[in-house]
Amino acid sequence: NAGVTQTPKFRVLKTGQSMTLLCAQDMNHEYMYWYRQDPGMGLRLIHYSVGEGTTAKGEVPDGYNVSRLKKQNFLLGLESAAPSQTSVYFCASSYSTRVGANVLTFGAGSRLTVL
Amino acid sequence: ILNVEQSPQSLHVQEGDSTNFTCSFPSSNFYALHWYRWETAKSPEALFVMTLNGDEKKKGRISATLNTKEGYSYLYIKGSQPEDSATYLCAFHMKTSYDKVIFGPGTSLSVIP
Repeated sequence: NAGVTQTPKFRVLKTGQSMTLLCAQDMNHEYMYWYRQDPGMGLRLIHYSVGEGTTAKGEVPDGYNVSRLKKQNFLLGLESAAPSQTSVYFCASSYSTRVGANVLTFGAGSRLTVL
Repeated sequence: ILNVEQSPQSLHVQEGDSTNFTCSFPSSNFYALHWYRWETAKSPEALFVMTLNGDEKKKGRISATLNTKEGYSYLYIKGSQPEDSATYLCAFHMKTSYDKVIFGPGTSLSVIP
């Protein structure tokens, strides 16, 4: 019962460094999402994917790239990290967008600090 | 810019009090609304899926209503308990882009024993 797994759970970066967050789900979900959580702002959508090989921009996509080469994995990349990207990142997935089947299952979060 | 708002931002109630909070969303582009409960150090978990104007959902002491014409949903907690302390999030699905799930900022509830 792994559900949605995010790696790493914690990471500290220096400004300008790059890194990739991995999200893996074992529920055969079509849809996957990356959100960031900042105090007082809830969850803001960065990018999302509606299926293998597809990605789309969310509310706050700048500074991030994503890839969905395999259905079970959704990668979030930071090419040149900035202090403003210090946040907790959550990955989520859902079976479909059909009402009732589109409830999101979340990972445990990845805390990223950019110095 | 899609505005999904929640009020109040935070709430402190005594054990046994009943409480409610609001999620407002663009009524003209409604597809579905979800409520999630988010406990500290855990991941958000779904409470309700709401789709029709006038929908009422209930799970134990927690219930929710939906008004799609005026663009709001209420979440009610009857007889609050300390274990109800959490952040409650609403998530909006637009008709024109229902695969894009937009969350409100959340209402943080603290129940004082």
